Amino acid sequence: DAGITQSPRHKVTETGTPVTLRCHQTENHRYMYWYRQDPGHGLRLIHYSYGVKDTDKGEVSDGYSVSRSKTEDFLLTLESATSSQTSVYFCAISDYGTATGSPLHFGNGTRLTVT
Amino acid sequence: DQQVKQNSPSLSVQEGRISILNCDYTNSMFDYFLWYKKYPAEGPTFLISISSIKDKNEDGRFTVFLNKSAKHLSLHIVPSQPGDSAVYFCAASVRTGANNLFFGTGTRLTVIP
Repeated sequence: DAGITQSPRHKVTETGTPVTLRCHQTENHRYMYWYRQDPGHGLRLIHYSYGVKDTDKGEVSDGYSVSRSKTEDFLLTLESATSSQTSVYFCAISDYGTATGSPLHFGNGTRLTVT
Repeated sequence: DQQVKQNSPSLSVQEGRISILNCDYTNSMFDYFLWYKKYPAEGPTFLISISSIKDKNEDGRFTVFLNKSAKHLSLHIVPSQPGDSAVYFCAASVRTGANNLFFGTGTRLTVIP
């Protein structure tokens, strides 16, 4: 299994509070991704990173920001959480990116509930 | 708009028989197609992939078929085993442009012993 650790695994927070999810990898992969999984939608890309300090938006980036100050860490921040951001969040890593057809390797997810 | 679609939310199969999971897509520019398997409380794990220049790829009990003219792919599992019970996602990506895997909504496979 790829060395990917997501923290926390579960979090309950209130509407309007800031939340930061962390993804840590030990594989030294260049690309890191944040997806959310919701019923009826599959997994959708929020943001991704193609190197330290290099990030770009995905399909559902509104309300989220990311940072990558080290190769191994990719942070996802909800500046002001809303109930629509209740979801399961998955981090993924890849050495070559999706453009080469190489697979993404996923962490075990963070279940976030916004009340 | 969902570019990758899995129209069957669930499938039940007897142990030892063939499981066929289907996936349709709308974007003719997709270059790669991948299948993932997901157990509860775990992340998706990669199973098998196929390039758009091929029509079949096989790996042990798993075979993926691609029909580009129909924009359809399928995953065959033979023989099915109880440990195959999971949610299966198909996904697709392009060689240029968006750095993203576009996922279907998943099919829950139950293999009955």
